Amino acid sequence: GESVGLHLPTLSVQEGDNSIINCAYSNSASDYFIWYKQESGKGPQFIIDIRSNMDKRQGQRVTVLLNKTVKHLSLQIAATQPGDSAVYFCAENTGNQFYFGTGTSLTVIP
Amino acid sequence: DAGVIQSPRHEVTEMGQEVTLRCKPISGHDYLFWYRQTMMRGLELLIYFNNNVPIDDSGMPEDRFSAKMPNASFSTLKIQPSEPRDSAVYFCASSLLGPLHFGNGTRLTVT
Repeated sequence: GESVGLHLPTLSVQEGDNSIINCAYSNSASDYFIWYKQESGKGPQFIIDIRSNMDKRQGQRVTVLLNKTVKHLSLQIAATQPGDSAVYFCAENTGNQFYFGTGTSLTVIP
Repeated sequence: DAGVIQSPRHEVTEMGQEVTLRCKPISGHDYLFWYRQTMMRGLELLIYFNNNVPIDDSGMPEDRFSAKMPNASFSTLKIQPSEPRDSAVYFCASSLLGPLHFGNGTRLTVT
């Protein structure tokens, strides 16, 4: 029979465009949030993090926005490149535990 | 910094056999986590250690799974006996007051 897996949201963007990946988290007590990038055959790789006392943090070509009111996290990638194609996960930290979202698959079209 | 090192990268075994997965965390990190990743359930936390002591093993599926951390630089995840439904990618991650740093995982196939 057909196997059923997680329905992974997908996003396709043109090379050079900006990408926005969204994530809803569940625990209002979470105080630390992280975005990871996972390429095929590799482990999740840290991109950027943000603590709950901030609402925006910028890195190189990436920006994370945190809206605690609606428990929403987003990752913006500027000038998306083919090497950005991967699955992106958000993670929330409560206590000493990290909880991961299901991920979003980003495909960059050359 | 060599990062988190896991071995083996791939493991194929027959149902009923014992499987041992190994992890060397980043030097100086005091937390170590074992995760399992499948298409069905995504990334699941199995167990984590702080200063070599198991803190929460509530994610370990059943008694067939066990994990140890005999010292700060080494941890094992053992499955005995293995079953086909254990097939997955197993990740080890370590941290020190910040984000998790993952290894590249062990892809386990149980036939």
